[in-house]
Amino acid sequence: DTGVSQDPRHKITKRGQNVTFRCDPISEHNRLYWYRQTLGQGPEFLTYFQNEAQLEKSRLLSNRFSAERPKGSFSTLEIQRTEQGDSAMYLCAVRRGDQPQHFGDGTRLSIL
Amino acid sequence: AQSVAQPEDQVNVAEGNPLTVKCTYSVSGNPYLFWYVQYPNRGLQFLLKYITGDNLVKGSYGFEAEFNKSQTSFHLKKPSALVSDSALYFCAVRDNDTGFQKLVFGTGTRLLVSP
Repeated sequence: DTGVSQDPRHKITKRGQNVTFRCDPISEHNRLYWYRQTLGQGPEFLTYFQNEAQLEKSRLLSNRFSAERPKGSFSTLEIQRTEQGDSAMYLCAVRRGDQPQHFGDGTRLSIL
Repeated sequence: AQSVAQPEDQVNVAEGNPLTVKCTYSVSGNPYLFWYVQYPNRGLQFLLKYITGDNLVKGSYGFEAEFNKSQTSFHLKKPSALVSDSALYFCAVRDNDTGFQKLVFGTGTRLLVSP
């Protein structure tokens, strides 16, 4: 049990469609991160929330990407007008205090 | 900017033999280093971290890591490998530039333990 639930686990969609992923921390974690992992690479940071505030966004997060954490608990990541290059594993991680980040099992996105 | 390098794409070891997975780092300020393991179609599982203190850090599942400041290395070790240790291993460093503690990962090393 990673303490982080991600849904869906797999998403297959056609190029140009919009997709939304959800991350649910099982217990209270005020710090939440999104990462993207492409095949053969390590995860790359996308964005960071402290409670409901989005405090940092990577340059990887183009204007087609948007993330929210409306009540400081679950978070959503939306990709509009998906492109082939968006195919990746999208990972959510949470952290409390000085504890290390704990990751969910990710959502694997495949663009046809 | 912080970065880590994992020079080996793959490490092969026989079950029962010691294993080492290499990682070198480049940081501004104090290094905060981590090892994570990833099994197929799963997220990353935390193994261990170095913040300060003893250069030998003990972690989960019998893994340990040796911090070497002069060589800027943080190699992952295990005295006796198990077939079930076969997985993808990532070294990571905490970004100290922004204060939000995002992690910067290496490209990963695939560990294959043969029976």
